[in-house]
Amino acid sequence: AQRVTQPEKLLSVFKGAPVELKCNYSYSGSPELFWYVQYSRQRLQLLLRHISRESIKGFTADLNKGETSFHLKKPFAQEEDSAMYYCALWYSSASKIIFGSGTRLSIRP
Amino acid sequence: GAGVSQTPSNKVTEKGKYVELRCDPISGHTALYWYRQSLGQGPEFLIYFQGTGAADDSGLPNDRFFAVRPEGSVSTLKIQRTERGDSAMYLCASSSSAGAEQYFGPGTRLTVT
Repeated sequence: AQRVTQPEKLLSVFKGAPVELKCNYSYSGSPELFWYVQYSRQRLQLLLRHISRESIKGFTADLNKGETSFHLKKPFAQEEDSAMYYCALWYSSASKIIFGSGTRLSIRP
Repeated sequence: GAGVSQTPSNKVTEKGKYVELRCDPISGHTALYWYRQSLGQGPEFLIYFQGTGAADDSGLPNDRFFAVRPEGSVSTLKIQRTERGDSAMYLCASSSSAGAEQYFGPGTRLTVT
């Protein structure tokens, strides 16, 4: 079955420290993965998708098919990074997105 | 340009009542999605429209839930005989085509008392 797992409900790090938000997936086909972010009082928005291989707001994510992971990383956290982060899988045969349960990232000053 | 809008932003209803939730997608977006998000969970897929037709309604939890998109633009999610377990945030998203970036609305928070 298709599934996205985010093992951490909450991740709290100090400003300037590295950040890694974990995501593992289960998918029998060729996966297309995303990270979505929701800042306080804002709507859910796309942060990055693995096929574009972009770095957005200093965040990167590498697809590791061997470990079925798509962890989100940033070398130096900033206070404005505090938000809810969702890892998501595009289930192409059904044209829908499967979301993980989310990780709340809190950056301490 | 205008993003996806949803009305109402909040809806409180009594158990057993009927409710309608509206979604206005970005103009020109042919794909429209409904999701439900319970507290502490990620969005859960409900239904996907391509144009006027429901291409995938496999996420609708039961036959009390129904959605329409009669002119291929605005969509309405309808819930009959509401139950307390229906309380959640209902999100709508649209995209220019299936597989393209989805743009989310602000959601409708439904509370069934």
